[in-house]
Amino acid sequence: DGGITQSPKYLFRKEGQNVTLSCEQNLNHDAMYWYRQDPGQGLRLIYYSQIVNDFQKGDIAEGYSVSREKKESFPLTVTSAQKNPTAFYLCASNPQVAGNQPQHFGDGTRLSIL
Amino acid sequence: GENVEQHPSTLSVQEGDSAVIKCTYSDSASNYFPWYKQELGKGPQLIIDIRSNVGEKKDQRIAVTLNKTAKHFSLHITETQPEDSAVYFCAASGQGGNEKLTFGTGTRLTIIP
Repeated sequence: DGGITQSPKYLFRKEGQNVTLSCEQNLNHDAMYWYRQDPGQGLRLIYYSQIVNDFQKGDIAEGYSVSREKKESFPLTVTSAQKNPTAFYLCASNPQVAGNQPQHFGDGTRLSIL
Repeated sequence: GENVEQHPSTLSVQEGDSAVIKCTYSDSASNYFPWYKQELGKGPQLIIDIRSNVGEKKDQRIAVTLNKTAKHFSLHITETQPEDSAVYFCAASGQGGNEKLTFGTGTRLTIIP
C-alpha cells in the first residue's frame, strides 16, 4: 500500500541533544511538509520542500533543520536550539508543485524531553 | 499571511443529530479549503475539500459550504454516528501553486450514544 511512514512513533530527547525524525513516502509525491502540533492548537508549518534538494522555511523553522536528498525522504532534525521541542510532529506530502492538491499525512512522531 | 479561525473548540451532539463546524479566513486570495479528521494518536485524514469556484460540495453524510464574500466555510455532518467522534480541522490555502495550508485550531466532536 502507498503511504507515508514516520518513525519512530515515540522519541525521547535529552537536554542539548539533536534528534532526527524520519519521514518516507512511496506515493511519488513532489512536495513534502513538516508540521508541529501542540495541544489545543492547529498544525503549524515548520519546513516544506517542493522538489529534491530544495526546501523553504515555514512559520516556525527556528531550532529545526531538514534535508531533501531523495524524493521519497524528508527527515527533520530537532536541534538543541529548539528550547520547547515536546510536541507531536506530522509529516505530509502532496503530488503536484502547481495547483492545490490534498495533503496526505503520516501517523506522527511524539517527541518528549527526558 | 493567512489566518484561520475555527469554532467551536468542542462540540457534543446526540447520535443521529447534525453537527456543524465553522471557519473563517482572512486572505481573500485563498482558493482551496480542505477539512481533516484526526483520531487519537493518528495523523489527520482528508474527509472533504472545496475549491473557490463552487459554493457547496457533498459526500454522503458530509457537506461543506463556502461563502467567498463573507470569507467563511462550514462542515456539516448529518445523521452522526459514534465513529464520527474525533478532532476536525479546517484549513485554507492561498493563491495558486502549491501554497502552504493554514490550519484552524480544531474542533473536538463527541457523539453521545
